[in-house]
Amino acid sequence: GNSVTQMEGPVTLSEEAFLTINCTYTATGYPSLFWYVQYPGEGLQLLLKATKADDKGSNKGFEATYRKETTSFHLEKGSVQVSDSAVYFCALLEGGSEKLVFGKGTKLTVNP
Amino acid sequence: EAQVTQNPRYLITVTGKKLTVTCSQNMNHEYMSWYRQDPGLGLRQIYYSMNVEVTDKGDVPEGYKVSRKEKRNFPLILESPSPNQTSLYFCASRELGGGLAGAVGELFFGEGSRLTVL
Repeated sequence: GNSVTQMEGPVTLSEEAFLTINCTYTATGYPSLFWYVQYPGEGLQLLLKATKADDKGSNKGFEATYRKETTSFHLEKGSVQVSDSAVYFCALLEGGSEKLVFGKGTKLTVNP
Repeated sequence: EAQVTQNPRYLITVTGKKLTVTCSQNMNHEYMSWYRQDPGLGLRQIYYSMNVEVTDKGDVPEGYKVSRKEKRNFPLILESPSPNQTSLYFCASRELGGGLAGAVGELFFGEGSRLTVL
């Protein structure tokens, strides 16, 4: 079946550091890929998405590129801020399906 | 404001005492879903619905019921709660058509309901 694997957390960085959170997926077709973010005490919200190979999703300084050859969708940010502290979820939605499959989440803490 | 509203946000109850967590969305979305979030396990889908009177099991439906009598509401019912249902629960909704490229709707989440079963 479809699945998403994210790097284990937690990840702790200093402010202005470079962030990468790895995400790889398994799917039988051509899924759409997403990153959702969960700030403390809140529900998840969409951060960015990509619907086909080589697409780059971006938002709030975060980026992720849909790499079909490596089945990956790694999340990056060049300079993190304390306000980026949250749990990040990678997810996929396979074509023809309505079910969003989530990774287990990666907790990021950014220290001043 | 577009939102998904869950109630209660926090609840402590005892084993066997029936409870309902309500969920309401104001975006006229066809698709609604319930998830539970547990440490180390991420988000797991409990039930989902693609329209009024249409509900289906997700990955972990045991011990839960849902109903979809109106488009905007999708309550989660625990008929006889047990301690292993202690968790953080999220309701979510979006437009249908998520399986087609270019028609991928954002999933909107409620703020969560933290349930403790003693």
